[in-house]
Amino acid sequence: AQTVTQSQPEMSVQEAETVTLSCTYDTSESDYYLFWYKQPPSRQMILVIRQEAYKQQNATENRFSVNFQKAAKSFSLKISDSQLGDAAMYFCAYLPAYNNNDMRFGAGTRLTVKP
Amino acid sequence: NAGVTQTPKFQVLKTGQSMTLQCAQDMNHNSMYWYRQDPGMGLRLIYYSASEGTTDKGEVPNGYNVSRLNKREFSLRLESAAPSQTSVYFCASNEGPRGLSSYEQYFGPGTRLTVT
Repeated sequence: AQTVTQSQPEMSVQEAETVTLSCTYDTSESDYYLFWYKQPPSRQMILVIRQEAYKQQNATENRFSVNFQKAAKSFSLKISDSQLGDAAMYFCAYLPAYNNNDMRFGAGTRLTVKP
Repeated sequence: NAGVTQTPKFQVLKTGQSMTLQCAQDMNHNSMYWYRQDPGMGLRLIYYSASEGTTDKGEVPNGYNVSRLNKREFSLRLESAAPSQTSVYFCASNEGPRGLSSYEQYFGPGTRLTVT
């Protein structure tokens, strides 16, 4: 079974600074998708960024970017110019291409942004 | 578009009681999912419906049943609630295997369930 590990239960960052959240995963598949979801206190799960494993280029969405290291099975999220609204739980998720119904989530990282 | 809606938002049950969590989506998605979220464990898949008329077990199906009522609605039933089922429950949907964005799941706001 695929597993997703987020080794940082909590992280904090100063407003306007940069922070990196870590994620590793275990799989024998070569074709899959990786996601970062944000969950603010409202509980709503919001997709932040998505990476296809077959793409070598790292995905970027405005202030959010990933460092995807396929050989190392690592998928970290970098948040630049952190804002107070970035404070939330962040979940890393893995989805195998052969079964796009079997999404696996990490345990989450709680990000605090200090003013 | 309301997206994915869930009812109720909060519920307290006594051990042994039954209840049904309702989920509906208005995005014409083929696939729907039920997850539970527990502290320190992230989200785990309970059941899913890849298309109307089909349902399959996920990672943690014991103690639950589901019904895909039609393309829009997917309900989760607890027949005899237990304290171990205290959790936050999320419904999600996606376009399904034929969709161009078939890999993105859209989530409802969640239901916080407490079983005493």
